Amino acid sequence: QVQLVESGGGVVQSGRSLRLSCAASGFAFSSHGLHWVRQAPGKGLEWVAVIWYDGNNKYYTDYVKGRFTISRDNFKNTLYLQMNSLRAEDTAVYYCARSPAYCGGACHFDYWGQGTLVTVSS
Amino acid sequence: QSALTQPPSVSGSPGQSVTISCTGTSNDIGSYNRVSWYQQPPGTAPKLLIHEVSNRPSGVPNRFSGSKSDNTASLTISGLQAEDEADYYCNSYTTSSTYVFGTGTKVTVL
Repeated sequence: QVQLVESGGGVVQSGRSLRLSCAASGFAFSSHGLHWVRQAPGKGLEWVAVIWYDGNNKYYTDYVKGRFTISRDNFKNTLYLQMNSLRAEDTAVYYCARSPAYCGGACHFDYWGQGTLVTVSS
Repeated sequence: QSALTQPPSVSGSPGQSVTISCTGTSNDIGSYNRVSWYQQPPGTAPKLLIHEVSNRPSGVPNRFSGSKSDNTASLTISGLQAEDEADYYCNSYTTSSTYVFGTGTKVTVL
């Protein structure tokens, strides 16, 4: 079955960096676009970034553009989120989510991981 | 990109119907039939309920239905059940090739 397992969260000081990983299994990883979605404590969902199935297109919310980088390793079946210059407002549970196969843009999120908590302390 | 607007809460008795609205702009909901809905019970990850405005994935009960008119999408839960208590979020693709979620709606079964 489809599994997405996030890791790499933790407590980090403001201004520092952190890299999240999402290990995927149970499907053809290289055929699917992948997203990061976050949820601040007690708040709603916020879309963060997408990387298309071929890795050639990446898009970000304006709130993280220039600070976060999404990437994927189709040999390791792993999605990454490199987060630099972290701010207190980046504190959230970060979920990875999958899009249907060969859906370039305009895709929904058909499977989700359980999330990893990132806490940015000031 | 501002969040799509949803009512903070809706409630209904078992068996009743409730509808959640999701209002966006011509740059998101109004431009594409790429609206999806997600259910998130407390302490769990979101789950896909509806995609492309009105399509239900296999396994989602047919009492969940979606629609769209102009810049507003809607999710209707017919025959409300206790297990439907959760937070619900809409999502749309945007003209900037990004995505935007709604503000979220808490559904309470009385």
